Amino acid sequence: RKEVEQDPGPFNVPEGATVAFNCTYSNSASQSFFWYRQDCRKEPKLLMSVYSSGNEDGRFTAQLNRASQYISLLIRDSKLSDSATYLCVVNVGGSQGNLIFGKGTKLSVKP
Amino acid sequence: DAEITQSPRHKITETGRQVTLACHQTWNHNNMFWYRQDLGHGLRLIHYSYGVQDTNKGEVSDGYSVSRSNTEDLPLTLESAASSQTSVYFCASSESLANNEQFFGPGTRLTVL
Repeated sequence: RKEVEQDPGPFNVPEGATVAFNCTYSNSASQSFFWYRQDCRKEPKLLMSVYSSGNEDGRFTAQLNRASQYISLLIRDSKLSDSATYLCVVNVGGSQGNLIFGKGTKLSVKP
Repeated sequence: DAEITQSPRHKITETGRQVTLACHQTWNHNNMFWYRQDLGHGLRLIHYSYGVQDTNKGEVSDGYSVSRSNTEDLPLTLESAASSQTSVYFCASSESLANNEQFFGPGTRLTVL
């Protein structure tokens, strides 16, 4: 089983839609979790960290379910500028050298 | 403003040649990383460093080496380039805590013919 799995998409949604991405991870000892955003031919950038209690940043909500080893990202009121690939990232070892990146989920928001 | 830069941004080389990719950060971060990104794979860690004179192998380190002689730079060397090393290479840096953000450079697109 791969360490971090994501639906590759693409998710094609109209502006204003709500879209959810899921991610599962295999290492139950994983300690911290993130969503990164990567625009086409650009570098990844941190979108948000994911906390056990769930966290929200504007239109973005991240949830963590440790029992099911599952992470989600919800985007409300999608904008054209949200079009990108979203990377699920898991720290499996407690140090920065232990980040495992998912392959990413591609989102395309259409007018 | 602090930043992380990579050079060159694009490189074409031939099989068997030695190639060095530069990474320079002005964040004064202790941690630096090299990843490669290929279609069908997530970012994969090549080498990383937690400070000057410290280097560690990542998941896909074969055929690559790094050295850390100062805080700002972590050059990546391909000892004898192979076609399988055609990829996009990203350098990143971060502060020390495990849950800190990694800041990525703009990437180097390397083609090995």
